Amino acid sequence: ETGVTQSPTHLIKTRGQQVTLRCSSQSGHNTVSWYQQALGQGPQFIFQYYREEENGRGNFPPRFSGLQFPNYSSELNVNALELDDSALYLCASSVDLYEQYFGPGTRLTVT
Amino acid sequence: AQSVSQHNHHVILSEAASLELGCNYSYGGTVNLFWYVQYPGQHLQLLLKYFSGDPLVKGIKGFEAEFIKSKFSFNLRKPSVQWSDTAEYFCAVLKTSYDKVIFGPGTSLSVIP
Repeated sequence: ETGVTQSPTHLIKTRGQQVTLRCSSQSGHNTVSWYQQALGQGPQFIFQYYREEENGRGNFPPRFSGLQFPNYSSELNVNALELDDSALYLCASSVDLYEQYFGPGTRLTVT
Repeated sequence: AQSVSQHNHHVILSEAASLELGCNYSYGGTVNLFWYVQYPGQHLQLLLKYFSGDPLVKGIKGFEAEFIKSKFSFNLRKPSVQWSDTAEYFCAVLKTSYDKVIFGPGTSLSVIP
């Protein structure tokens, strides 16, 4: 166990809908990174938040957005869901990127 | 574009066999390198990391990795695997502390008792 929690564990949505995933950071960590892990692939970097500001983004469209709150917890929002958005979404908390602590992930299925 | 490749998609070994998982990256500058492991039903966790210094890095559970700069490689090794090493292994690269961590596609290791 890492102290990083994510909710919900599983989620089923319909194409076109919107979804919000949540991540609670490990105590003392001010950086949260979000990753998308499609089946059989490695995690793909979505974006990173440091002290409530986005400070890095991967090759994901603007319909993927996020927030980080004063307590360093975070949300990932995805609008206009597409079938290809079906994946495991991981968040990782850290002080910097040299040692990230991953949560268990949220399994999103888009039908 | 920076990328990370892993040589094998799926490796099957018997217990006590030696393990070597290959990892190559494309970025030519200074890099930080990681191996992460994901045991069945568990969180992704850090096995070992290389920042600088001795290119032979030791991690948890008897794993080690060797950074060979001239080959852009960071291969993971273990002299004798156990059934409990069955997991998904990911190599990852970080260029600076304010860049992104790029993961390889992963290698699934199955250890047969």
